[in-house]
Amino acid sequence: ETGVTQTPRHLVMGMTNKKSLKCEQHLGHNAMYWYKQSAKKPLELMFVYSLEERVENNSVPSRFSPECPNSSHLFLHLHTLQPEDSALYLCASSQGDRGPGANVLTFGAGSRLTVL
Amino acid sequence: GDSVTQMEGPVTLSEEAFLTINCTYTATGYPSLFWYVQYPGEGLQLLLKATKADDKGSNKGFEATYRKETTSFHLEKGSVQVSDSAVYFCALMEYGNKLVFGAGTILRVKS
Repeated sequence: ETGVTQTPRHLVMGMTNKKSLKCEQHLGHNAMYWYKQSAKKPLELMFVYSLEERVENNSVPSRFSPECPNSSHLFLHLHTLQPEDSALYLCASSQGDRGPGANVLTFGAGSRLTVL
Repeated sequence: GDSVTQMEGPVTLSEEAFLTINCTYTATGYPSLFWYVQYPGEGLQLLLKATKADDKGSNKGFEATYRKETTSFHLEKGSVQVSDSAVYFCALMEYGNKLVFGAGTILRVKS
């Protein structure tokens, strides 16, 4: 496998459920990201992990909990979500130590989350 | 903080028409600028980039020039194809790993 793979592609959950989104990259990158994509809004950066340490947490509610067990895997644990959390969640990876001009993100296809 | 503003869509064009999607940015320093494209059912992928003023990024017939004086990075293509139908995102990165996106512009090309 190559690139960035996200599972599941589609997820429907109730407000009291606990679920997780998974992201895996096979590019040898050292930084991983979670973005939220909602209709008619800019992509919102949620979390950044660099060398498995969280370096960015963009005021995301605690009902979203990221986990980065190694440089190839990133999870987003979901608990007691709200209907407004329904969105496409995009994972990305990059070689984050090359400076802004060379820090090109590779994205997965996304996980479409619907909260009922 | 840093921000990106791009023209609202959708933009609907006939095949072989000229395309411009406007993008302006706000940043405190000298960011790198990017255009990403998202085809239906896929993630975003890099289309082109420019890292300093007056640089021109180009790829697949698309071009954008980094204009510091107007803080702009407009995307252009001389002759669009149906296969160019997608969502186009302008973005900037000023420091670290924080890529800031615009809202995206939907492009629809009719045959």
